[in-house]
Amino acid sequence: DAGVTQSPTHLIKTRGQQVTLRCSPKSGHDTVSWYQQALGQGPQFIFQYYEEEERQRGNFPDRFSGHQFPNYSSELNVNALLLGDSALYLCASSFRGGQFFGPGTRLTVL
Amino acid sequence: DAKTTQPPSMDCAEGRAANLPCNHSTISGNEYVYWYRQIHSQGPQYIIHGLKNNETNEMASLIITEDRKSSTLILPHATLRDTAVYYCIVRVGAGNTGTASKLTFGTGTRLQVTL
Repeated sequence: DAGVTQSPTHLIKTRGQQVTLRCSPKSGHDTVSWYQQALGQGPQFIFQYYEEEERQRGNFPDRFSGHQFPNYSSELNVNALLLGDSALYLCASSFRGGQFFGPGTRLTVL
Repeated sequence: DAKTTQPPSMDCAEGRAANLPCNHSTISGNEYVYWYRQIHSQGPQYIIHGLKNNETNEMASLIITEDRKSSTLILPHATLRDTAVYYCIVRVGAGNTGTASKLTFGTGTRLQVTL
């Protein structure tokens, strides 16, 4: 079992660009959550997907959007990137509650 | 989800027990206490969770006070590899499929294990 995987591991973008991050959940998991972790802070919840729908959303603007595919994998899209979007983006998958995290994607916005 | 309070940092000698406290005085009756840790530049790792009884697994023990307003995570024999940020989180239930089960992280306790 590969666990939760994320791609890419690192990404550099410039302000105003758009980015797509990808997550494959742990085998048997049907729910995917996304978190943003700024340097020195704890992870902050962005949103959660189940049955290809957004089920809950944290305090993030509409520039942050997502998608879940029939195979339960998920994408996080961020439009009009700002310098403040530089962070570690974490994906967590779950089935009946327990969340398992991937290694994250380090996004740097210049 | 209830707010938690943890000390920002702690030190522990290798081989000794590490006792990490957490206050959650506003915890509700249906909220569980979860502990995660995050080793530098990795995703958070689940350690243990409990409702009101003490719990033990291969990684750690969780002691919850009778009034459930505080808890302590115990690493019985800390090693250098236990150096990490430890997060105490309270959340409703263990979750059901389709039920939103977000984790609300604070800033955690940075545990430094030394020789």
